[in-house]
Amino acid sequence: GQQVMQIPQYQHVQEGEDFTTYCNSSTTLSNIQWYKQRPGGHPVFLIQLVKSGEVKKQKRLTFQFGEAKKNSSLHITATQTTDVGTYFCAGGQAGTALIFGKGTTLSVSS
Amino acid sequence: DVKVTQSSRYLVKRTGEKVFLECVQDMDHENMFWYRQDPGLGLRLIYFSYDVKMKEKGDIPEGYSVSREKKERFSLILESASTNQTSMYLCASTGTGGPGNTIYFGEGSWLTVV
Repeated sequence: GQQVMQIPQYQHVQEGEDFTTYCNSSTTLSNIQWYKQRPGGHPVFLIQLVKSGEVKKQKRLTFQFGEAKKNSSLHITATQTTDVGTYFCAGGQAGTALIFGKGTTLSVSS
Repeated sequence: DVKVTQSSRYLVKRTGEKVFLECVQDMDHENMFWYRQDPGLGLRLIYFSYDVKMKEKGDIPEGYSVSREKKERFSLILESASTNQTSMYLCASTGTGGPGNTIYFGEGSWLTVV
C-alpha cells in the first residue's frame, strides 16, 4: 500500500541554524500537507501543496513539492526555540484518507 | 473558530475494562477519524467515517470499534482494554472534497491501561 516516509526522525540544532525535513511517497500524490505538533499539543495544519514543483513560503518556513509529486520538504531558516515540535507531512490521493509520515521531531538549544 | 472536542483528556483504566472515547466537532464535517500516536510510530489511523453510520477500517483497527450515530459525534470503543493500548488518541475531522481538505485535530486523549 501507499507509504509516506519522513526523515530524519529526530533533529537537534543550535538556535539560528537551518533545519530541513524530507518526505517521500512510494506513489504519486495528489497533494501534500504539513502539520506541526508542539510538545504536549495536537497537530495543527501549516500548509498544503498541490502543484508539481510548487514552492510556498511562510516567513522562515519554505515548503516544496517535487516535480514528480512524490516528495516534499520543509526548510526552516534560522531556527528559533519557538520552532520546537514535531513536523508531519501527510500525502493524499483521490479516494483515500491522508497518509501521515512518522514525523520529524525538532529540538532547538539556545 | 473550528473545534474538535475530545471528552476526556486523561484516563486511567484497568485491563479488561470497556473504554469509550468521545469526539464532537462543530464544523458540520462529513469525515471523522481516530488516530493513535506513539513515540517513533507517528500517527496511525484506527478507523474513519465518511458519513453517519458509515465506518472504514484504518491501518490498525484490531481491538477497537467505532460508532457514528450523529454527524457531529464519533466514538472510539475499546471493548476490553489491554496494556498495549496505552497511548495518546487523537480525533480529527475534515469536510468533503477528498484529501485536499485540512484536517482539524482534537487536543488528544491520553489513555493509560494498567
